[in-house]
Amino acid sequence: DAGVTQSPTHLIKTRGQQVTLRCSPKSGHDTVSWYQQALGQGPQFIFQYYEEEERQRGNFPDRFSGHQFPNYSSELNVNALLLGDSALYLCASSGDRPELFFGEGSRLTVL
Amino acid sequence: AQKITQTQPGMFVQEKEAVTLDCTYDTSDQSYGLFWYKQPSSGEMIFLIYQGSYDEQNATEGRYSLNFQKARKSANLVISASQLGDSAMYFCAMRENPNAGGTSYGKLTFGQGTILTVHP
Repeated sequence: DAGVTQSPTHLIKTRGQQVTLRCSPKSGHDTVSWYQQALGQGPQFIFQYYEEEERQRGNFPDRFSGHQFPNYSSELNVNALLLGDSALYLCASSGDRPELFFGEGSRLTVL
Repeated sequence: AQKITQTQPGMFVQEKEAVTLDCTYDTSDQSYGLFWYKQPSSGEMIFLIYQGSYDEQNATEGRYSLNFQKARKSANLVISASQLGDSAMYFCAMRENPNAGGTSYGKLTFGQGTILTVHP
């Protein structure tokens, strides 16, 4: 039973560029959430997708957008990258139970 | 607004001993869930244990137990018989409406974390 998988694991971008991160949820899960974790901090909620719609959003600007596909996989897009966007981006999936299961994350460095 | 506080930036424990990681929370919701996650240096957040606000018994999962004191709004994690592999960052988190299902599940709010180091 595959867990949550994310790609790419590491990437380097320059300011102003755009990035797309991908996530496949754990088998049987239909809800995907994205979190940003800065170095030394706890993860911060970006948004949650269910039935291909954004259902809840944290305090992030419109530069952060996402998508969920019919197979429940999801993408996180960040436009006009800033140095402060450098972080570990975690995808989490959930189903009928309360707990979320996380992937290993995509570590983004913006130069 | 929900808030999680972890006051111990770092904790040290001897192998095979027990350790308690502190967590206090603040919420106006009546229905909520409390979680503990472990994050090794690899970055993956590993789910350890869950406690619902209406659960009367403290949750246990193997060597992990959650000391839930609702009136004090605390949800401390107890790790018994520590192992070298337990060395990691530990996060306490809270989620609103955990039993509502589907999109009624709220976001997870995390604390700042506690770094646990297990000495041989």
